[in-house]
Amino acid sequence: GENVEQHPSTLSVQEGDSAVIKCTYSDSASNYFPWYKQELGKGPQLIIDIRSNVGEKKDQRIAVTLNKTAKHFSLHITETQPEDSAVYFCAASIGTGRRALTFGSGTRLQVQP
Amino acid sequence: GAVVSQHPSRVICKSGTSVKIECRSLDFQATTMFWYRQFPKQSLMLMATSNEGSKATYEQGVEKDKFLINHASLTLSTLTVTSAHPEDSSFYICSAPDLLTQETQYFGPGTRLLVL
Repeated sequence: GENVEQHPSTLSVQEGDSAVIKCTYSDSASNYFPWYKQELGKGPQLIIDIRSNVGEKKDQRIAVTLNKTAKHFSLHITETQPEDSAVYFCAASIGTGRRALTFGSGTRLQVQP
Repeated sequence: GAVVSQHPSRVICKSGTSVKIECRSLDFQATTMFWYRQFPKQSLMLMATSNEGSKATYEQGVEKDKFLINHASLTLSTLTVTSAHPEDSSFYICSAPDLLTQETQYFGPGTRLLVL
């Protein structure tokens, strides 16, 4: 089955700096890659996603890039703010229709004010 | 985005008892829902896929007789943890796919289960 690796496990940045989280996946058939933000005691919240026919997607301060050849994708957060502090998970899924996600191990982002 | 709710948000029970967790899609229909389990400081692990009108499919290593899933309607799936034990204590989260794209997953707020 699919395996998703994520790093770093923790990331501390100063407010205003950029943060980058990277993930690799094992199955070249994966075609959908969402990123979730999870705050303590809450469910994951979708922040951005990308499909395999697109190389980059941006939404305000958040961007995701996908390299299908290398089988990795990255989350970029610019101008970080203290409220960006949370655990971020990447995920991947394969095929069409309704299918479950395989998650990375998570990155705890701490934005220092 | 679509809204998924869960009830209860947290539950404490004695070892040996059963606990039911509800997952509802509030503003859309979901013929499929997914149940995940998350242990402290770990990632989400898929437990099972809940299918409206048919049996759930379970991931390897998840006991179907222990984690009973019923997808009673197009907006409700329930997970019952039977004969709960302390090692079942975890954060249980459900998700439902977007009806249009069928890819985007919306997650519920989670249910914290503590078995004493």
